[in-house]
Amino acid sequence: GDSVTQMEGPVTLSEEAFLTINCTYTATGYPSLFWYVQYPGEGLQLLLKATKADDKGSNKGFEATYRKETTSFHLEKGSVQVSDSAVYFCALTGGFKTIFGAGTRLFVKA
Amino acid sequence: DAGVTQSPTHLIKTRGQQVTLRCSPKSGHDTVSWYQQALGQGPQFIFQYYEEEERQRGNFPDRFSGHQFPNYSSELNVNALLLGDSALYLCASPQSRDPLKYFGPGTRLTVT
Repeated sequence: GDSVTQMEGPVTLSEEAFLTINCTYTATGYPSLFWYVQYPGEGLQLLLKATKADDKGSNKGFEATYRKETTSFHLEKGSVQVSDSAVYFCALTGGFKTIFGAGTRLFVKA
Repeated sequence: DAGVTQSPTHLIKTRGQQVTLRCSPKSGHDTVSWYQQALGQGPQFIFQYYEEEERQRGNFPDRFSGHQFPNYSSELNVNALLLGDSALYLCASPQSRDPLKYFGPGTRLTVT
């Protein structure tokens, strides 16, 4: 069945460092891909999305490109801030459900 | 315009008991999806309701059941609670096949 695999955390970075969180997927057909963020004590928020191959989703300085040839959707940000500390989930749509990865916790130090 | 709302916020139950969680979708949305998020894990799809019927179901036992009312609100029922049912239960209200932009804040269930 469809699945999403994310790099294990936690990821600890200093402020202004470059961020990459790897995500690969297995799916039949052509799923849409998403990144969600969950800040401490808060609910899930959609961060960005891409609906077809080579699409780039972007929001709040974060970017991810839908790579069909490598079945990947890696999340990147050029300069992280302390306020970016959260758990990040990669996800895909499969039919009527969304399939999430296990999440990657990011800590950003001042 | 209220987003997705869930009640209660927190709940503590004992093994073997039954629990009912409630969700109201975003105004104008007619579909409700339920997810279970265990501590340190990603959300797992339980089921989706549309037009008062279960449209798709994830890999959850029959102890998990649901209902959708004519006003599109929904309930999640869990019978014979196990310790492993302790989790954050999330409700979402998708529109057609758009991404799940609208998630509720969740209900934290603790089973002792």
